[in-house]
Amino acid sequence: EPEVTQTPSHQVTQMGQEVILRCVPISNHLYFYWYRQILGQKVEFLVSFYNNEISEKSEIFDDQFSVERPDGSNFTLKIRSTKLEDSAMYFCARGQRNTEAFFGQGTRLTVV
Amino acid sequence: KQEVTQIPAALSVPEGENLVLNCSFTDSAIYNLQWFRQDPGKGLTSLLLIQSSQREQTSGRLNASLDKSSGRSTLYIAASQPGDSATYLCAVKNAGNMLTFGGGTRLMVKP
Repeated sequence: EPEVTQTPSHQVTQMGQEVILRCVPISNHLYFYWYRQILGQKVEFLVSFYNNEISEKSEIFDDQFSVERPDGSNFTLKIRSTKLEDSAMYFCARGQRNTEAFFGQGTRLTVV
Repeated sequence: KQEVTQIPAALSVPEGENLVLNCSFTDSAIYNLQWFRQDPGKGLTSLLLIQSSQREQTSGRLNASLDKSSGRSTLYIAASQPGDSATYLCAVKNAGNMLTFGGGTRLMVKP
């Protein structure tokens, strides 16, 4: 099955600005996830999203973060008031509990 | 809290060697374990998924085993090639629907 598609591939933003990262049109998938990988560190879970609701989130996923599926296709991660430490690769993934997880190519976020 | 460890952190081998990558996890109550490949600056490519009830899975030159009771998995790569050079990640899924990742093994296969 095709991997998840993410845009943009690279985003540079100024500290304090809002960014929106996208998984682009996936019509018939219900389970989505966001993970991040800070350079040189482990891949970390942020949030899972099922049937248009958050089903789980980690301690990292605080009020600065939000997810939504605004038009039934794109799945977005919004980061409000970005900090330098938000610089990382952000991965969107899909997959159900007992199936393979398929990851996108990631968005490299650089906060300056 | 689940912790996943991968040993070694880095490995360099000559082309043609068979090699084993190790993954250990602290909480054996897992649903499944998945191995991924990650090329520098790229996304994660799924290699193999082993369900908790399974002992091993094979795909081409790759064979992954799972010993749930001892909290271990191995990824065996036969007849390694320079194109196998990448970072290999293992990840486990527990009661939640999230994956917990190890730190990876960075593999270099020299021609």
